[in-house]
Amino acid sequence: ETGVTQSPTHLIKTRGQQVTLRCSSQSGHNTVSWYQQALGQGPQFIFQYYREEENGRGNFPPRFSGLQFPNYSSELNVNALELDDSALYLCASSLGPEGRFYGYTFGSGTRLTVV
Amino acid sequence: GQQLNQSPQSMFIQEGEDVSMNCTSSSIFNTWLWYKQDPGEGPVLLIALYKAGELTSNGRLTAQFGITRKDSFLNISASIPSDVGIYFCAASFSNTGNQFYFGTGTSLTVIP
Repeated sequence: ETGVTQSPTHLIKTRGQQVTLRCSSQSGHNTVSWYQQALGQGPQFIFQYYREEENGRGNFPPRFSGLQFPNYSSELNVNALELDDSALYLCASSLGPEGRFYGYTFGSGTRLTVV
Repeated sequence: GQQLNQSPQSMFIQEGEDVSMNCTSSSIFNTWLWYKQDPGEGPVLLIALYKAGELTSNGRLTAQFGITRKDSFLNISASIPSDVGIYFCAASFSNTGNQFYFGTGTSLTVIP
């Protein structure tokens, strides 16, 4: 059983640029959630994707957007990067609402630094 | 957003001691999770709780879903050096895994 894989592991971008982060879900999972974790804080929910549609969104501006593909993998896109976007971005996969929720499986994250 | 008050913020204990940490909120939740995170890694699920009053164990770990549905605690018995890490509680209004709110974490140091 493969776990959640995220790429890249580290990334440095300049303020104003755009970034795309990628995630492959654990086999058997059809739902992907994205979280932002600032240094010293708990993760904050960005959004969730199920059946290629956004299925819930946290308090993040529209410049945070995502996609889910037919193989359940997902992308997180952030436009017009700001310094405060520097954080660890975590992808988590799980079974969808039609199945029992057993908890998320998280990837190791992408460390994004905006300079 | 919702706030989960997790305490203590940090703990320094001797190997073999028991540990207790908790999470409280002013909101009523339907699911509680406990995770452990090591430096440079994603959180790893320890225990999931689905029902008020539920008490669940996973080896030396025991967690409970508070009867008021506003709190949860995690106990670790007979701590060992590999218990070192940051422990997070997380709670959701949903039963289906949508939108979890995380606490700010408890940093655990185990002194051999």
